[in-house]
Order: sequence, then structure tokens, then C-alpha cells
Amino acid sequence: ETGVTQTPRHLVMGMTNKKSLKCEQHLGHNAMYWYKQSAKKPLELMFVYSLEERVENNSVPSRFSPECPNSSHLFLHLHTLQPEDSALYLCASSQFQTGEYEQYFGPGTRLTVT
Amino acid sequence: LAKTTQPISMDSYEGQEVNITCSHNNIATNDYITWYQQFPSQGPRFIIQGYKTKVTNEVASLFIPADRKSSTLSLPRVSLSDTAVYYCLVGDIRNTGFQKLVFGTGTRLLVSP
Repeated sequence: ETGVTQTPRHLVMGMTNKKSLKCEQHLGHNAMYWYKQSAKKPLELMFVYSLEERVENNSVPSRFSPECPNSSHLFLHLHTLQPEDSALYLCASSQFQTGEYEQYFGPGTRLTVT
Repeated sequence: LAKTTQPISMDSYEGQEVNITCSHNNIATNDYITWYQQFPSQGPRFIIQGYKTKVTNEVASLFIPADRKSSTLSLPRVSLSDTAVYYCLVGDIRNTGFQKLVFGTGTRLLVSP
């Protein structure tokens, strides 16, 4: 148990569906992250929220939309996904102010797009 | 980009010491070096972090030479449960620009009896 929870753990959705992934951290951190991990590929950082402000990654398709209503919660809204978006989506949190870099990851949501 | 390069895989036996090296030739002055462990279908777990010289905790040691262009994670007396993928990450939390947060391809460690 890392103090970061993600729901759902597994999700199957069609290409026309809309769904949301939820992440919650109980560590008092002020930065949260979404990562994508596809088979046989490195973890890809998708979005960062630092002090509740979003740092954009222009290479992430607009069918992925993050939301951070407060420092403890992070959502990833999904719509009109493609089969190649099937992957493990990981949420992480950290404490921004320190110079060191230690992230705490959740267990991930295994997403399958059919 | 602080790109990292690690061996794709390594094999070891229980009780042996394992050293995994990561190359990061263009590491920036403010970058820290962090190692994570990941089991299948789980999120990565923090192992150790350092900036220079040597860092040791209860599970591993991290050796960083003076030029900081590489680092070595040392796992003493590995067990079967250490079978996992190990990632080297170079970045600076104070600068959360995407170019600073780069995971490599990881090293798949297999520990055999």
C-alpha cells in the first residue's frame, strides 16, 4: 500500500464510450502525475499537476483530458479512444518543494479499448 | 533530454550481489538520480535516490561517480522476490517540465534459485 489508490483497476471500453479514471493520494503531496505504460515500452509521462496547476504535454491526444479538483484527487477523462490506447495507466504523487525526486505510484488501471 | 540507457536484462542467483548500471551522459546540474522497482501489473516502487558519491539504505546502495554520467544500483544478496524490472530515472522535481522526467526502458532482473 503506497498511499495512492486508483479506480477502477480494470476497464474495458468501446471506442465511442466516455469513461474516467480516478486517482486519490493520502500522503499530503502537492504534485500528481498520469503515466501510460504500454507493453514493451518505457513509462510515458502524460500530465503533471504541480500545486494544482497543470503542465501540458502537447503530444498527448485531446481524447485524454485530465482534471485535478484538489491536491488529493486526479482524474483522467477518456473519450473516443483508439485500440492503441490500451495500456496500464499509472497515477503518482510527490512533494513538489523538495529538490529530491521521489514519486509514489498507485497500482494502475489496466485499460482495454475494443 | 536526460536520456538514460540500461541493460535490457540481467540474470542472477539467490544470495548474489547484483549491480545494474545506468548511463546518463547529458545529466543536468540539478538532476537527481532515482531508481524504481516494478513488478508485473503494479506501479513502480521507489528504491533509492542520490545526487553524487554513494547513498545506502536498508535495501540498496547507489554509486555515482564524480562526473555523474552514470550510476550503479547495487542489490546485496538478492532473493527470488527481487525478480522485477528496475528503472533509472534522471530529473529534478523542482522543474517539472516534461523533458526532465524520463524513464528508461528498464532492466529486467531474473533471480533464480
